[in-house]
Amino acid sequence: NAGVTQTPKFRILKIGQSMTLQCAQDMNHNYMYWYRQDPGMGLKLIYYSVGAGITDKGEVPNGYNVSRSTTEDFPLRLELAAPSQTSVYFCASSPGQATYEQYFGPGTRLTVT
Amino acid sequence: AQTVTQSQPEMSVQEAETVTLSCTYDTSESDYYLFWYKQPPSRQMILVIRQEAYKQQNATENRFSVNFQKAAKSFSLKISDSQLGDAAMYFCAYRSNAGKSTFGDGTTLTVKP
Repeated sequence: NAGVTQTPKFRILKIGQSMTLQCAQDMNHNYMYWYRQDPGMGLKLIYYSVGAGITDKGEVPNGYNVSRSTTEDFPLRLELAAPSQTSVYFCASSPGQATYEQYFGPGTRLTVT
Repeated sequence: AQTVTQSQPEMSVQEAETVTLSCTYDTSESDYYLFWYKQPPSRQMILVIRQEAYKQQNATENRFSVNFQKAAKSFSLKISDSQLGDAAMYFCAYRSNAGKSTFGDGTTLTVKP
């Protein structure tokens, strides 16, 4: 199993550009998450999904959009990138019960200049 | 909304000694799950230990144990016989029964040889 994969690993965007961060998991997990981690800080939940076709906002959803058309994929869309979105983005997945740990991808480092 | 507070931004411990990292949380839910994750410089998130709120017995995993005080909403992590490889950032995380997740801002642990 590849686990949770994220692409790209690094990206530099200009202010106002848009992009999609890709996340895929091959563990048949129902739950998927997107977090951002600013330097020296904890993870902030952007969006999460408890199954295909179901998404919900986290703590910091503004400026982002998600979709979940399949169990495996959970892309994160950034529209009109701003410097405040410079961060490391982590995708995670988990089996269908909250008792289970989250499995994290390696992260995407995004810089908006 | 749930909040997780880690009041110690940095901690240090001598190799082979014991250290305790603090975590408090706020929730109105009665059923939830708590986790400690470790993030070394590689950025990979690694599960250290988990605790189900309905269990009174404190979780242990080898050198890692927790002190879970549900009434006080406290969930501290004790690392015994500290090793150089324990140096990392440690995050306390709350997960609701519905799957929504909240992380603290982390504690950076330094292990001195």
